[in-house]
Amino acid sequence: AQTVTQSQPEMSVQEAETVTLSCTYDTSESNYYLFWYKQPPSRQMILVIRQEAYKQQNATENRFSVNFQKAAKSFSLKISDSQLGDTAMYFCAFMKWVNTGTASKLTFGTGTRLQVTL
Amino acid sequence: EPEVTQTPSHQVTQMGQEVILRCVPISNHLYFYWYRQILGQKVEFLVSFYNNEISEKSEIFDDQFSVERPDGSNFTLKIRSTKLEDSAMYFCASTPLRTGELFFGEGSRLTVL
Repeated sequence: AQTVTQSQPEMSVQEAETVTLSCTYDTSESNYYLFWYKQPPSRQMILVIRQEAYKQQNATENRFSVNFQKAAKSFSLKISDSQLGDTAMYFCAFMKWVNTGTASKLTFGTGTRLQVTL
Repeated sequence: EPEVTQTPSHQVTQMGQEVILRCVPISNHLYFYWYRQILGQKVEFLVSFYNNEISEKSEIFDDQFSVERPDGSNFTLKIRSTKLEDSAMYFCASTPLRTGELFFGEGSRLTVL
């Protein structure tokens, strides 16, 4: 079974600053995917960024980037130039590769609540 | 932009009653999921559904729970004989790819009294 750990329940960052959210995971799988999802207050979860484990290059998506350390099983999210709209709960999640004909699933961490302040 | 929609947004029920939570996944998606989030706790996988059958279910998804895709659009979660501990936010999700991004609905908050 896979586990995902987010050790920072809450974080705060000032607008325009950079913040890094931590995530570690444990798995015996060799092929898998890692995700960061954002859940604004009273809204659905939306994908921030996705990383395929077989890719060495870290994924980036505008102001969002990851530091993927496969050997250390670490997958941190960096938010640059933080904006008030980044205030949300952030979930790290793991998905293992599965064969055709079956559905995979996301295993979530407990989340980090990020508050962006003026 | 297509969205996953869920109804009701909030339902209050008495312990022991049956509840049906409804979801309309994105139309060309093939894989469907239910997750739940008890207040302040992690998002937990309940069940995945593909090709008109359950693909995987968690240990939470016992005989009290069932899922159906009664037509080409709806995907429902039925909870029989609700318990207090079933109070949670229930999220539906769908994806077109078996290892792709999941698209989530806004959730249905269930309160069992």
